[in-house]
Amino acid sequence: QVQLRESRPGLVKPSQTLSLTCSVSGAYVNSGYFYWGWIRQFPAKGPEWVAHMDDNGRTFSNPSLESRLTMYRDPSRSQFALILSSVTAADTAVYYCASGPAYEGTEHVPPAYDHWGQGALVIVSS
Amino acid sequence: QSMLTQPPSVSAAPGQRVTISCSRSDSNIENDYVSWYQQLPGTAPKLLIYDTERRPSGIADRFSGHKSDTSATLDITGLQSGDEADYFCGTWDTSLSAYIFGGGTTVTVL
Repeated sequence: QVQLRESRPGLVKPSQTLSLTCSVSGAYVNSGYFYWGWIRQFPAKGPEWVAHMDDNGRTFSNPSLESRLTMYRDPSRSQFALILSSVTAADTAVYYCASGPAYEGTEHVPPAYDHWGQGALVIVSS
Repeated sequence: QSMLTQPPSVSAAPGQRVTISCSRSDSNIENDYVSWYQQLPGTAPKLLIYDTERRPSGIADRFSGHKSDTSATLDITGLQSGDEADYFCGTWDTSLSAYIFGGGTTVTVL
């Protein structure tokens, strides 16, 4: 059973860089079988997809965030990470890490996120 | 930008059925790999349906997904008070190479 847990960066100042990590248990972050993703949610709003890394290690990003965003995997720590630069108050949200299988049997499939972390509240404020 | 449109809210009495629709603003949804998520208050979203109509292990068969050429739908039968939650559809948009979510539907059990 895959389990995910986000780090808790808490308060980040405007124009600084947000760094989030997701600790993974029950699966290998470099297994080539999963999507590893980040999804955020603003207060009283629906989820907004941020980015994911696919089974080939390629990163796909929300076009509105792509210029500020980096994702990477750290297999030695069983983690994957999100780096978001030049944050503003508009980046204040609950950030979830999530995963989903990239294959149904031998068929490559689009993402459906079946495991989620509990969420980390990130507040951007001076 | 491509969008998924859902009704803001639906409601019904216990034991009744609700249907939530999800339609695309720019094209038909018939070829999309649609998922549905349930979000109970204060918790992370939970996958209910994937590939339009398939249920992950452990999801009750009261939840079912369907699709026409214009929209995907989530049906909840035998409505229970524990079903009060927000429900979101989502799909991978191949033209954007991005995942998109619907705005969400709040289900209220009367």
